[in-house]
Amino acid sequence: ELKVEQNPLFLSMQEGKNYTIYCNYSTTSDRLYWYRQDPGKSLESLFVLLSNGAVKQEGRLMASLDTKARLSTLHITAAVHDLSATYFCAVDMEYGNKLVFGAGTILRVKS
Amino acid sequence: DGGITQSPKYLFRKEGQNVTLSCEQNLNHDAMYWYRQDPGQGLRLIYYSQIVNDFQKGDIAEGYSVSREKKESFPLTVTSAQKNPTAFYLCASSPRGPVDTQYFGPGTRLTVL
Repeated sequence: ELKVEQNPLFLSMQEGKNYTIYCNYSTTSDRLYWYRQDPGKSLESLFVLLSNGAVKQEGRLMASLDTKARLSTLHITAAVHDLSATYFCAVDMEYGNKLVFGAGTILRVKS
Repeated sequence: DGGITQSPKYLFRKEGQNVTLSCEQNLNHDAMYWYRQDPGQGLRLIYYSQIVNDFQKGDIAEGYSVSREKKESFPLTVTSAQKNPTAFYLCASSPRGPVDTQYFGPGTRLTVL
């Protein structure tokens, strides 16, 4: 059974600081997704990582995938308040048929 | 505008009642999915469908049923057999292409009274 673990589960950070969220998974997969969820809202797709060594960047967020280590990271650079949300990673088990989600990381950026 | 719609946004159910949650998409996506989200947790897959008239159980299908009679629609029925149905339900769809990003609807919050 695939397990997806995120850490930390809660992150409080100051504006302007950098930090990394980690996503570990337990079985082989080379497809990983990052989503953002605002309170009471749906999920918004951030990144799709499809191969070992994939790196994607959008604004202050950068995601990477190491399939050999079964690890993805979401790096936050110079955090701003608007980045406050819950971030989920999801690992693809069956070529889009089945995503297994981590528990989510609640990010709070304080001014 | 293309997108995924879910209705209702909020739903209250008495114990012992069946309720049906609606999910419609006009993205021409082949695949559709239902997830359940409990407070402070990730999403868990209930059912998914790759094509019309076909669907598969996910990890927590007990107490739920679905149908896929049209490409655009994938309704979820929460039956009285589901012992703890209070949760946030999210529907998603994907194009089944090389990059199968799932796009999510706005969700339905179901509360059992």
